[in-house]
Amino acid sequence: GENVEQHPSTLSVQEGDSAVIKCTYSDSASNYFPWYKQELGKGPQLIIDIRSNVGEKKDQRIAVTLNKTAKHFSLHITETQPEDSAVYFCAASWAKTSYDKVIFGPGTSLSVIP
Amino acid sequence: EPEVTQTPSHQVTQMGQEVILRCVPISNHLYFYWYRQILGQKVEFLVSFYNNEISEKSEIFDDQFSVERPDGSNFTLKIRSTKLEDSAMYFCASFAGGYTFGSGTRLTVV
Repeated sequence: GENVEQHPSTLSVQEGDSAVIKCTYSDSASNYFPWYKQELGKGPQLIIDIRSNVGEKKDQRIAVTLNKTAKHFSLHITETQPEDSAVYFCAASWAKTSYDKVIFGPGTSLSVIP
Repeated sequence: EPEVTQTPSHQVTQMGQEVILRCVPISNHLYFYWYRQILGQKVEFLVSFYNNEISEKSEIFDDQFSVERPDGSNFTLKIRSTKLEDSAMYFCASFAGGYTFGSGTRLTVV
């Protein structure tokens, strides 16, 4: 089955700097790659996603890139703010249908230092 | 913004007891899921549910677990004869174009 790896496991950045989180996946059939932010005591919240027919997607300070050949995808957060501090999960799905399960990576704990 | 609501937020139970975790998915969503997250570990898929039946289940979801949609709004996860290793956060999710997760139920088995 699908396996998703994620690095780093912890990341500290100064406010205003950029943060990059990288993930790899094992199943070349995967075609949907969401990113989730989990704040303390809350469930995962979708922040951005990308599908296999797109190489890059951007939403304000957040961008995601996908390299299908290398089976890599990355999250980029620019101009980080203290409220960006959370655990971030990448995930992958080889959905035959769009509602198939997603497989999560192990998470990255991001700390933005004011 | 519509939310997935889970109750209780925290449940403590004795080993061997049965627990029912409750979820109210977003009203017009048709696909429902349970995931769990053992402390400090990744979020793991348990089961998906559509049209009043299980669509897919993981190897974690054995005979100890069952799901039910008893009425038009609730979606429950029952864990029979709980074990210490069942202690985790349990997240319900529903889907329509994307997943929406609830805030979770922290289950502690003592």
